[in-house]
Amino acid sequence: QSILTQPPSVSGAPGQRVTISCIGSSSDIGAGYDVHWYQQLPGTAPKLLIYNNNYRPSGVPDRFSASKSGTSASLAITGLQAEDEGDYYCQSYDSSVNGVFGGGTRLTVL
Amino acid sequence: EVQLREFGGAAVLVGESLRLSCAASGFDFGGLTMHWVRQAPEKGLEWVSLISWDGGSRNYVESVKGRFTISRDNSNKVLYLQMNSLRTEDTAIYYCAKDLSSRSGLDHWGQGTRVSV
Repeated sequence: QSILTQPPSVSGAPGQRVTISCIGSSSDIGAGYDVHWYQQLPGTAPKLLIYNNNYRPSGVPDRFSASKSGTSASLAITGLQAEDEGDYYCQSYDSSVNGVFGGGTRLTVL
Repeated sequence: EVQLREFGGAAVLVGESLRLSCAASGFDFGGLTMHWVRQAPEKGLEWVSLISWDGGSRNYVESVKGRFTISRDNSNKVLYLQMNSLRTEDTAIYYCAKDLSSRSGLDHWGQGTRVSV
C-alpha cells in the first residue's frame, strides 16, 4: 500500500508563508482521488483542515489553502501564527479505496 | 453536536485480543462510512480500516488483514474494531473518525483510546 511523501519539517517566522508538499503516485492522488489535510496540535486528535483538495470546513481560517495537481498536492499557510505550530498530514485513497496518509510534517513557528 | 468516544484500549500481551468500541452521537451514523486510524508513539497517522454505511464494504491496511475486523451497529450507533493476534507494532492510540461524505475527508475524530501490546 502506498504512502504519501511529505517533508519531515518546515519552519517560518510569524507572519510568513509556508508550504507543505504531498507527493503521491498514479495509484492514489494521480488516480483522481481527492486530497485532504489535517492539523494535529500537540496532545490533541487530528482536525480536518482542508477537504476535497481545496475546501475549508467551517471555522478554518482562510490563511489555510491547498491545491492539487497531477500526483501531488500542497498546503499553504499564510500569516503564520504561533498557534499554527504542530503536525500536518495529507490524506487520500489508493486504487483499492484504502485510506493513505502522508508521513506528516512538523511545522515550527520561529 | 457530533461526538465520537472510543472505549476498550488496554495493555495486553502479544497474541492476545482486544475489542475497541466507538460510540457516536449527533449525526446520521447509519448513513456514513466510518474509519479507524492509529498513531504509534511519536509516529504519524496510519489509516487502519473503513466500513461503509451498511457494512457492505470493509477495507483494511495490509498489516492488519486477517487479524482485525471492523463492524458496526447502526441501531445503537457504535463502531467496533476486533483486534486478534496482537503484535508489538499494533501499539498505538486508536481513533475512530467519520467521513464528511464519501471519501471527502474525516471531519470528526474521537479523543482516541490507547492500546499497548
